[in-house]
Amino acid sequence: DTGVSQDPRHKITKRGQNVTFRCDPISEHNRLYWYRQTLGQGPEFLTYFQNEAQLEKSRLLSDRFSAERPKGSFSTLEIQRTEQGDSAMYLCASSLLGTGNTGELFFGEGSRLTVL
Amino acid sequence: AQKITQTQPGMFVQEKEAVTLDCTYDTSDQSYGLFWYKQPSSGEMIFLIYQGSYDEQNATEGRYSLNFQKARKSANLVISASQLGDSAMYFCAMRETGNQFYFGTGTSLTVIP
Repeated sequence: DTGVSQDPRHKITKRGQNVTFRCDPISEHNRLYWYRQTLGQGPEFLTYFQNEAQLEKSRLLSDRFSAERPKGSFSTLEIQRTEQGDSAMYLCASSLLGTGNTGELFFGEGSRLTVL
Repeated sequence: AQKITQTQPGMFVQEKEAVTLDCTYDTSDQSYGLFWYKQPSSGEMIFLIYQGSYDEQNATEGRYSLNFQKARKSANLVISASQLGDSAMYFCAMRETGNQFYFGTGTSLTVIP
């Protein structure tokens, strides 16, 4: 297993277009998280899944954002009607929390979105 | 209120010296975990060290140690014998009982040769 992978790595789009990012977590991990990071800031929580269930979504998250994890494996994050303020790095992370482990997040390399 | 506070936007350290990066946290949970991550200029987030709220000993991982002061709600990262490759952003994070992770705004560390 090569870790968390994200696709695409870079996306440039025009304002108003829809974009979708995909995340493939480490295969045995049951938790999957999406974060947004802008330059000079820490990762900002967007949403997280345990298996296929979306357990929490940030109150700051616009309804233009939606995420799915249909079979408890890969996940998609869709942004509809993109705005320039959506330009950021979108980070996916997965973890396995259970007895005897720390449950740290393993991050992908991120998907950088630029909205023109 | 901020869950994680990192008050040092930037720090400099001489190569081979030790440096402490500050982190304070805010939670009413009894069970929580504290983490430190490194983010080099290449962008990937690298897990460094973990401290559980019930752990009585400070965590150590090689040159990294976590100075955990529960009553003061602080979880400072100590890097000993700094190397040029330690230059990066460092983020403190906390996982509460609900399993959401909160991150601080980070500290940019520059190691000077």
